[in-house]
Amino acid sequence: AQSVTQLDSQVPVFEEAPVELRCNYSSSVSVYLFWYVQYPNQGLQLLLKYLSGSTLVKGINGFEAEFNKSQTSFHLRKPSVHISDTAEYFCALTVTGNQFYFGTGTSLTVIP
Amino acid sequence: GAVVSQHPSRVICKSGTSVKIECRSLDFQATTMFWYRQFPKQSLMLMATSNEGSKATYEQGVEKDKFLINHASLTLSTLTVTSAHPEDSSFYICSAFSGGANEQFFGPGTRLTVL
Repeated sequence: AQSVTQLDSQVPVFEEAPVELRCNYSSSVSVYLFWYVQYPNQGLQLLLKYLSGSTLVKGINGFEAEFNKSQTSFHLRKPSVHISDTAEYFCALTVTGNQFYFGTGTSLTVIP
Repeated sequence: GAVVSQHPSRVICKSGTSVKIECRSLDFQATTMFWYRQFPKQSLMLMATSNEGSKATYEQGVEKDKFLINHASLTLSTLTVTSAHPEDSSFYICSAFSGGANEQFFGPGTRLTVL
């Protein structure tokens, strides 16, 4: 069975400060990992994904994530956040590319 | 990139009525689509997997007679909430898998409010 754990439900951070949103996963087989952002009353927007290759993945809006197989983690980072980054962030995994398993989400609030 | 649309984006209905939500893949064909439900401040919970030309596969605890899914074509899946009640109020999101892009694309969601 697969599962995703997002350790922080809420992360407040000051504008222009760095941020890390944590994601750990559990799976007995190889997985593909994703980070999505959701703005209020909207669907999910893909930030970045890890399929294979380089463990450091760069995405949109200045976000990046690093896949760490030994620690079964896929933490999301941004060196300097903006007010517009305030949103809900979801980590997800899939084994087949079809069925996705989502974490419970992290609410990022950027404080001016 | 590939686009998935949902219609309507918002719907308010009276208790006891049925509501149909459409999910369309606009520029690709999707043999498989997924329906999720999201409660406020919570994650997406998979409700069912919609397979073109065959019956949907429902997750445990999801009433198939209440949430009717039809995937009649490679670009359209519909979710009908039958005899809706206030506890069915939620945000419903669909997704479609693009084999060409090897990626899942999500619709913008439908906010259902049952009075």
